[in-house]
Amino acid sequence: LAKTTQPISMDSYEGQEVNITCSHNNIATNDYITWYQQFPSQGPRFIIQGYKTKVTNEVASLFIPADRKSSTLSLPRVSLSDTAVYYCLVGGPYGSGNTGKLIFGQGTTLQVKP
Amino acid sequence: DVKVTQSSRYLVKRTGEKVFLECVQDMDHENMFWYRQDPGLGLRLIYFSYDVKMKEKGDIPEGYSVSREKKERFSLILESASTNQTSMYLCASSLIQGYQGEQYFGPGTRLTVT
Repeated sequence: LAKTTQPISMDSYEGQEVNITCSHNNIATNDYITWYQQFPSQGPRFIIQGYKTKVTNEVASLFIPADRKSSTLSLPRVSLSDTAVYYCLVGGPYGSGNTGKLIFGQGTTLQVKP
Repeated sequence: DVKVTQSSRYLVKRTGEKVFLECVQDMDHENMFWYRQDPGLGLRLIYFSYDVKMKEKGDIPEGYSVSREKKERFSLILESASTNQTSMYLCASSLIQGYQGEQYFGPGTRLTVT
């Protein structure tokens, strides 16, 4: 099972770039890496997903090195509204041989200060 | 927009009661999931379903069962509620078969068992 490890918390200031790293040493060949954002009293919301190298969308970038044992979520120019918990998820398709178990990290609480 | 709704935001039940948590999605998604979220433990998968009447155990299925009689509805059942099942329960759905698809989460049900 691909266990994930993230920092428990991070602080940043408005306008800065924030990088959150997730470690997943036992990632399987068919596993994808997905990041979610969660605000208090809400369900998590999808941010970005990748398999290898770099993926970018309108809100974030995801960097995955060649060995895929870690990944880094990059949030450019954060604002106060980016204060949330960020989860790293590693999982593969049903029937891929990974026993079908999803592993969420414990989450990183990002606090953005003015 | 995809909408995942859960039957209750808050629920208080007594030890030994049978509890039903209902989840409905409106986007014809194949996959549906039940998680519980506890402080310091992040999200843990209880069960998921990849088709009507099909289910798969997640990380922590003990004490829970599920039912999926219709594609849009996925129910989590606590046969005999216990205080250690006090938690936030989150339902999610996804379109793509397997786990690499984006999951859409409901708002959660905070269950208290006294």
